[in-house]
Amino acid sequence: DAGITQSPRHKVTETGTPVTLRCHQTENHRYMYWYRQDPGHGLRLIHYSYGVKDTDKGEVSDGYSVSRSKTEDFLLTLESATSSQTSVYFCAVNSGTQETQYFGPGTRLLVL
Amino acid sequence: GENVEQHPSTLSVQEGDSAVIKCTYSDSASNYFPWYKQELGKRPQLIIDIRSNVGEKKDQRIAVTLNKTAKHFSLHITETQPEDSAVYFCAAKSGNAGNMLTFGGGTRLMVKP
Repeated sequence: DAGITQSPRHKVTETGTPVTLRCHQTENHRYMYWYRQDPGHGLRLIHYSYGVKDTDKGEVSDGYSVSRSKTEDFLLTLESATSSQTSVYFCAVNSGTQETQYFGPGTRLLVL
Repeated sequence: GENVEQHPSTLSVQEGDSAVIKCTYSDSASNYFPWYKQELGKRPQLIIDIRSNVGEKKDQRIAVTLNKTAKHFSLHITETQPEDSAVYFCAAKSGNAGNMLTFGGGTRLMVKP
């Protein structure tokens, strides 16, 4: 499991409310990623981090922000959730010395 | 940026038959191609990967082939079993600083007993 946990695992929220998802890793991986998974679209990169306080946008970053104040935690925030952000969110990590990405267990988010 | 196309989107085979899933990529600088298997409700898990300096890699019943000239790579599963039923994703990593992967849209493989 590469020492990755995500919280919460399931969340139901209302349109317009802020939501923060947490990814926590215990193996000191340098790179961390947030993906969303929707039917027919595979996995799409939202944001990624290449170190503490170093982040960059991915393919579908609009409406999302991230923060990484510690190596082990990567937070994804939906400032004002919309129904189009209903999805399954996966965090992934990469050591930086190898190409392999390992995924967390996912968070299922429903925005009503 | 990189673009990865995956086909077919669904594949149904009889137990014991072979299954082939194909992906094409657009960035000739891509140099790493992993395949992930995702069972229902679970996380994607790496099953095999290949780097651009080899043309084929095998691991028991699964194999991946890479054609750099044509910019396509394929996953081959032989002697399929019901537990092979899952969604399979291909991905490609171009020469980017963030070790980012671009994923194909996925193939739902169903193995009928």
